[in-house]
Amino acid sequence: GAVVSQHPSRVICKSGTSVKIECRSLDFQATTMFWYRQFPKQSLMLMATSNEGSKATYEQGVEKDKFLINHASLTLSTLTVTSAHPEDSSFYICSAPDARTTNEKLFFGSGTQLSVL
Amino acid sequence: SQQGEEDPQALSIQEGENATMNCSYKTSINNLQWYRQNSGRGLVHLILIRSNEREKHSGRLRVTLDTSKKSSSLLITASRAADTASYFCATDALGGGADGLTFGKGTHLIIQP
Repeated sequence: GAVVSQHPSRVICKSGTSVKIECRSLDFQATTMFWYRQFPKQSLMLMATSNEGSKATYEQGVEKDKFLINHASLTLSTLTVTSAHPEDSSFYICSAPDARTTNEKLFFGSGTQLSVL
Repeated sequence: SQQGEEDPQALSIQEGENATMNCSYKTSINNLQWYRQNSGRGLVHLILIRSNEREKHSGRLRVTLDTSKKSSSLLITASRAADTASYFCATDALGGGADGLTFGKGTHLIIQP
């Protein structure tokens, strides 16, 4: 199956700093990338959808100025948590459909555990 | 509210037993998918069943779909300790494609060795 590589897997940062999370599609072109947030023992909450070469679409209640998404190429999408605060601590996961599987299934990165002190 | 709701929320069984998880949803769908998540990791696609299918098998996995009841079940036979994970159903609403996948809250499965 398609592979999505996500880095870093874990990051600890001080309050007020910015953190960048990268997701790369290794063996397919990801026209679309979905960014999720997950709290312990909870479901995935879709934050935003990024499309290569255009602005991301954010879900209601997600601050676009705080969670900056860039999808500059067909193989790389980034999520930057700006001026992070402790309440931003969470597990962030990216995923992308692969057109070779008719865009029905999602392939996930391994997730990034963000801890803001 | 969640499109997919799994039950039970948590399930603990002995190795070798069968594990059954259920998922209910609210709107009409194109397909329903099951994903697995190991602790602290991303999700892995397990199986997809289309709205015109009633049952599907993949190895030790068996999925059923009842569109009249808007429900699905995932059966894992002859469970192994390595099956310990959270299992999520995801529904693909009509016209949604992967863009429209909505995940349930998941069933946390523990296989006791």
